[in-house]
Amino acid sequence: KNQVEQSPQSLIILEGKNCTLQCNYTVSPFSNLRWYKQDTGRGPVSLTIMTFSENTKSNGRYTATLDADTKQSSLHITASQLSDSASYICVVSGGGSYIPTFGRGTSLIVHP
Amino acid sequence: DTGVSQDPRHKITKRGQNVTFRCDPISEHNRLYWYRQTLGQGPEFLTYFQNEAQLEKSRLLSDRFSAERPKGSFSTLEIQRTEQGDSAMYLCASSLVPGHEETQYFGPGTRLLVL
Repeated sequence: KNQVEQSPQSLIILEGKNCTLQCNYTVSPFSNLRWYKQDTGRGPVSLTIMTFSENTKSNGRYTATLDADTKQSSLHITASQLSDSASYICVVSGGGSYIPTFGRGTSLIVHP
Repeated sequence: DTGVSQDPRHKITKRGQNVTFRCDPISEHNRLYWYRQTLGQGPEFLTYFQNEAQLEKSRLLSDRFSAERPKGSFSTLEIQRTEQGDSAMYLCASSLVPGHEETQYFGPGTRLLVL
């Protein structure tokens, strides 16, 4: 069964600090992995996308890593800002379906 | 605005009533998805269209749910005889295939509350 597990479920950090969010998946065969940011009451917005051959991809202060061998990905946020407060969702495509598999998300709160 | 739009943004209805939501995808996108999202969860797939053809439906989509995309452009999602358990955010997303890594672009969602 295609599954995506994210940890932690929620995280609270102080403004300016770094943090790392984790994503483990069982989707096979693997096509690509995306991280989305979802602000409260809004639709998800794509941050990064990685295919099998990519290990790291950055988008400003966001850096995603992918280890296709262990089927793990991480999203690292550097120098957090209050606007980073949101839910971060890991989404994996593949598994013989056009329908991607979504994780439950990690809720991040950045305090001043 | 060239993004995905959804209407209405919020809907409050009484149990047993019918509701209809609309999604306007990015104009050149040929694939359109509907998802449902409850608090603290990731989006759950409901159905998707390739142009006007509905290619897949989730088992979550009971007989009370129906979706259409008559001309391959906008789509509607109708829920008949709403139940309190239908309260959720309904998200629409569109994408272009074949395309580079098929990124889905999401709309702002329609938040439904069934009283």
